[in-house]
Amino acid sequence: AQRVTQPEKLLSVFKGAPVELKCNYSYSGSPELFWYVQYSRQRLQLLLRHISRESIKGFTADLNKGETSFHLKKPFAQEEDSAMYYCALQNTGNQFYFGTGTSLTVIP
Amino acid sequence: DTGVSQNPRHKITKRGQNVTFRCDPISEHNRLYWYRQTLGQGPEFLTYFQNEAQLEKSRLLSDRFSAERPKGSFSTLEIQRTEQGDSAMYLCASSLFTGELFFGEGSRLTVL
Repeated sequence: AQRVTQPEKLLSVFKGAPVELKCNYSYSGSPELFWYVQYSRQRLQLLLRHISRESIKGFTADLNKGETSFHLKKPFAQEEDSAMYYCALQNTGNQFYFGTGTSLTVIP
Repeated sequence: DTGVSQNPRHKITKRGQNVTFRCDPISEHNRLYWYRQTLGQGPEFLTYFQNEAQLEKSRLLSDRFSAERPKGSFSTLEIQRTEQGDSAMYLCASSLFTGELFFGEGSRLTVL
């Protein structure tokens, strides 16, 4: 079975401060990990995926297989980063499993 | 093509009635997913199609739920004999082989 855990439901940081959204997963196979974001009144959309190893909107995430984690980080938070963030795992059967999400608020 | 489209956006129904939601994916996408989301939770996997074949169905999905994707294009999700616990946002997403999911805006169901 697979599970994605996001321990923080709410996270508030000041503008310009670093931010880290935690994600841990459990899966016996080799997963693909993603971060999806939902801005206010918008649909859920892909932020980044571990396989591409790129930085999107200043966010990065490193897959740590030893710790089974895929934490999302940004060195300097911006007000427009305020949103709901979901960590997701794709298994070898092409199913996607989502965490419960973290609501990030960036305080001006 | 403006993306994944879902209809209706909102549905209010009485307990015991049947409801049907429609999803029109991005035209070239061969994979289509249905998710359910309740307050404070992430999207919960319901079922998944590759073209017209329903490849996986969550064990959480009761027999009152059925989904189809005739001709591998649009999909419908029907809930029979609705219960108050069925109240949720029903999300549809489509993808190609790349793995990125493109979501619709969702269909919100309220069962009175």
